[in-house]
Amino acid sequence: NAGVTQTPKFHILKIGQSMTLQCTQDMNHNYMYWYRQDPGMGLKLIYYSVGAGITDKGEVPNGYNVSRSTTEDFPLRLELAAPSQTSVYFCASSYPPGQVAEAFFGQGTRLTVV
Amino acid sequence: AQTVTQSQPEMSVQEAETVTLSCTYDTSESDYYLFWYKQPPSRQMILVIRQEAYKQQNATENRFSVNFQKAAKSFSLKISDSQLGDAAMYFCAYRSVTTGANNLFFGTGTRLTVIP
Repeated sequence: NAGVTQTPKFHILKIGQSMTLQCTQDMNHNYMYWYRQDPGMGLKLIYYSVGAGITDKGEVPNGYNVSRSTTEDFPLRLELAAPSQTSVYFCASSYPPGQVAEAFFGQGTRLTVV
Repeated sequence: AQTVTQSQPEMSVQEAETVTLSCTYDTSESDYYLFWYKQPPSRQMILVIRQEAYKQQNATENRFSVNFQKAAKSFSLKISDSQLGDAAMYFCAYRSVTTGANNLFFGTGTRLTVIP
């Protein structure tokens, strides 16, 4: 069981370029999340989804877009990359609140914008 | 939205000693879940322990235990017999039972150093 898989693990992006961070989960989770973690800091929610076709903004959505066409996939799109988007990005997924309430995380993507 | 506060940005402990990490949260809900996650240098987020608010008994997982004080909205993590491998960032998290919206909230983390 692969869990939550993020690709790529590392990437260097030039200012103004765009890219998509991929996230897929094989646990049939309804909820999926994208967080960013700046060095030495906590997690900030970028976007989340409560099911296929439903997405909503989190705390820091500017400069990002998401889509959720399937239960499994939740890609994060960076448009016109800026140095302020240099961060580690985590994708997570979970069931609706219930017996298994915890979120499961991918291994993260370290993104550097130069 | 609920808030989760970790007031200790950094903590240190001698190997084999016991350390307690603090977490408080703000909520008006009666039913919810609380978690402690560990993030070692590998940056993988690992679930350490979970607590259901309706359970009065404090959760325990080997050397890790919690002190859940529902009325005080406090959820501290105790690590006994600390080991070098416990060195990591620890995040406290709250999950409400609300559906259809974001219901998962994290604290800012506590960096734990284990001194040999």
